[in-house]
Amino acid sequence: NAGVTQTPKFRVLKTGQSMTLLCAQDMNHEYMYWYRQDPGMGLRLIHYSVGEGTTAKGEVPDGYNVSRLKKQNFLLGLESAAPSQTSVYFCASSYPPGLAGEVTDTQYFGPGTRLTVL
Amino acid sequence: GQNIDQPTEMTATEGAIVQINCTYQTSGFNGLFWYQQHAGEAPTFLSYNVLDGLEEKGRFSSFLSRSKGYSYLLLKELQMKDSASYLCAVRALRNTGGFKTIFGAGTRLFVKA
Repeated sequence: NAGVTQTPKFRVLKTGQSMTLLCAQDMNHEYMYWYRQDPGMGLRLIHYSVGEGTTAKGEVPDGYNVSRLKKQNFLLGLESAAPSQTSVYFCASSYPPGLAGEVTDTQYFGPGTRLTVL
Repeated sequence: GQNIDQPTEMTATEGAIVQINCTYQTSGFNGLFWYQQHAGEAPTFLSYNVLDGLEEKGRFSSFLSRSKGYSYLLLKELQMKDSASYLCAVRALRNTGGFKTIFGAGTRLFVKA
């Protein structure tokens, strides 16, 4: 099992450009998440999904959109990148609480995408 | 509101014991996670406490006191590979239903020889 994978690993954008980050998981997890991590701050939730075809806003959703067309994939889009979106982006997935022997919705993270917006 | 506090950095010696503290203030508390994150890598799950007390898992132990809003991660027999950030994360009820996980900023642990 590959677990959670993210593409690309690195990307440099100019202000105003758009891009899509792809997250894929092969653990048959219902829940998927997108976080950003900035120096001195904790992981902040951008958007999340509790199942195929569903998405919801997290703590810092402005400037981002997401789609979950297939259970195993969760896409994060930046329509018009800004320097404030320079960050490391992590995708994560989990079972809902109580399923598959999991005590709770422990999250499994991808390796991250380092994005720089100039 | 939600608030999680943990020290920014700690330094300890190889072979020693270190305790990383985490205090939190949150409504709808439903458990506390500890994750380990090596530089440039993804966070990985270490432990989860939902009841008061100590959970031991090999060299790592995690403690929770819900009444005090306090947890700690105890690392014994420190090894150089334990140099990493340790993230405290609180699980809480979401206003719209279900649960959310709120992460602290993390504690960077440096293990020296």
